Amino acid sequence: DSGVTQTPKHLITATGQRVTLRCSPRSGDLSVYWYQQSLDQGLQFLIQYYNGEERAKGNILERFSAQQFPDLHSELNLSSLELGDSALYFCASSEEWDNEQFFGPGTRLTVL
Amino acid sequence: GESVGLHLPTLSVQEGDNSIINCAYSNSASDYFIWYKQESGKGPQFIIDIRSNMDKRQGQRVTVLLNKTVKHLSLQIAATQPGDSAVYFCAERYDKVIFGPGTSLSVIP
Repeated sequence: DSGVTQTPKHLITATGQRVTLRCSPRSGDLSVYWYQQSLDQGLQFLIQYYNGEERAKGNILERFSAQQFPDLHSELNLSSLELGDSALYFCASSEEWDNEQFFGPGTRLTVL
Repeated sequence: GESVGLHLPTLSVQEGDNSIINCAYSNSASDYFIWYKQESGKGPQFIIDIRSNMDKRQGQRVTVLLNKTVKHLSLQIAATQPGDSAVYFCAERYDKVIFGPGTSLSVIP
């Protein structure tokens, strides 16, 4: 158990819908990362927050957005969902902005 | 995207033998490298890391080698065990962390 929690574990929704994935980092970690893992694209970095501020941006679509709240938990919002958004979404956290990341168990999103 | 399409390289190793998993990274400015292990149905798990000012680092049963000249990273697992069966990812960091496509390690009992 990494200490990073993600909810929900599974999510099934329809195209065009909007969902919110939630992540609680390890106690004391200031940085949160979001990744998408699909069969044909591997593990893709989406975005990183550090102490509430956006720190780095990866391959995140404009339909996706994220934020980190004052209590350091983070949410990833996915809107106008498409079939291709079906994937595992991982959250990771680290103590500072540039060190070892601890991954959560992931949220499996299925878009039908 | 920055990751190639996935037909995972696979490595099959006899239990007890040593495993070597290789990774080519993309950016000569990367200053930090990490190896992760991902078991089926779980999130990636940190194994070992190395900074660019080193060329070798050892952990428990694992060694990471870094060759900056050819932008190559390797993970050596000594006395491979069935529990080592997983997908192994290397990752590099320059501005953000970029993961390689992964290698599937299968340990034959």
